Amino acid sequence: AQSVAQPEDQVNVAEGNPLTVKCTYSVSGNPYLFWYVQYPNRGLQFLLKYITGDNLVKGSYGFEAEFNKSQTSFHLKKPSALVSDSALYFCAVHQTGANNLFFGTGTRLTVIP
Amino acid sequence: DTGVSQDPRHKITKRGQNVTFRCDPISEHNRLYWYRQTLGQGPEFLTYFQNEAQLEKSRLLSDRFSAERPKGSFSTLEIQRTEQGDSAMYLCASSWRGSGNTIYFGEGSWLTVV
Repeated sequence: AQSVAQPEDQVNVAEGNPLTVKCTYSVSGNPYLFWYVQYPNRGLQFLLKYITGDNLVKGSYGFEAEFNKSQTSFHLKKPSALVSDSALYFCAVHQTGANNLFFGTGTRLTVIP
Repeated sequence: DTGVSQDPRHKITKRGQNVTFRCDPISEHNRLYWYRQTLGQGPEFLTYFQNEAQLEKSRLLSDRFSAERPKGSFSTLEIQRTEQGDSAMYLCASSWRGSGNTIYFGEGSWLTVV
């Protein structure tokens, strides 16, 4: 069975500071890992994904994520947070042979001006 | 380039009524998904279509729920005899084989059952 854990319901960071949103996963086989962002009353927007290759993945809006196989983690990062980054962030995993993505419960990021 | 389109965006209905949501996927995307999201939760998978074939249904999809995708284009999700527990956002997403398992979501359809 696949699972995704986002241990922090809420992350607060000051504007201009680096941010990290944590995600750990459990799947059978090699994982495909994703980050999505959701703004209020909107659908989910794709940010980035890891399939294979370089452990550091770069995505939209200056976000990046680091895949760590030994720790089964895929943390989302950004060097300098913007107020406009405030949103709900979801980590998701695709397990080999599955037809869908399995999502975590989300982390609400608030960037304080 | 048009994204995934969902209609209506908001629906308020009385308990016991039927509701139907429509999803138009991104052109040429042959895979279509329905998810449900409640407040404070991540999206939960409901069902998956490849072209017109419904290949997977979650246990969340009770007998009151039915989804179709005639001709492999748009899809509809119908909820019969709605209950207050059906209140949620219903998200449609689409993808194609070349998208590397990335799925692209619509803006969602909010359902409130009163």
